[in-house]
Amino acid sequence: KAGVTQTPRYLIKTRGQQVTLSCSPISGHRSVSWYQQTPGQGLQFLFEYFSETQRNKGNFPGRFSGRQFSNSRSEMNVSTLELGDSALYLCASSSGYETAYGYTFGSGTRLTVV
Amino acid sequence: QKEVEQNSGPLSVPEGAIASLNCTYSDRGSQSFFWYRQYSGKSPELIMFIYSNGDKEDGRFTAQLNKASQYVSLLIRDSQPSDSATYLCAFRLGGYSSASKIIFGSGTRLSIRP
Repeated sequence: KAGVTQTPRYLIKTRGQQVTLSCSPISGHRSVSWYQQTPGQGLQFLFEYFSETQRNKGNFPGRFSGRQFSNSRSEMNVSTLELGDSALYLCASSSGYETAYGYTFGSGTRLTVV
Repeated sequence: QKEVEQNSGPLSVPEGAIASLNCTYSDRGSQSFFWYRQYSGKSPELIMFIYSNGDKEDGRFTAQLNKASQYVSLLIRDSQPSDSATYLCAFRLGGYSSASKIIFGSGTRLSIRP
């Protein structure tokens, strides 16, 4: 069974640019969550999608957005990049409606903003 | 008060000893608790989840939950150098509602010395 696939693995962008990250969950999983991980803040929840609907959102500015497609694949977009957006972005998928059994994480996309 | 509190460490334990990791959480309504392990440069990996008060054992790992004290811990018996990693405590904020999300602590860095 394939795991959670995130692409690309590494990105270098310039301030002011925008970026799109992709996540393919485990086959059959309908919930996809996104997290930002930095050394200072740890894992911060961005948002969760379930069956193409955003059902939960963290405390991030509107520059951070996402969507989910009918095949459960999800994309996350960050517009007008800032230096502080440099982080590891992790996607996590889960089975079931209530995420009762925790998440399985992808390998992450490491974004560097210069 | 932070939603999840963990001692950042590093916690240094001799090989073969018991490593004890602790975590407190803020949401009295939480029903699901998780321990993740994260090796340097890798994504978090779920190692234990627990719902009921008391102990849950899985191999060398034991999770302990005390809802009255809002406290969860992880014991690692017969610690091995391969256990050296950051351990993230997490819980589901929002109970069993569809708007629930998993919140992570900042992690405890564990080092097993030979």
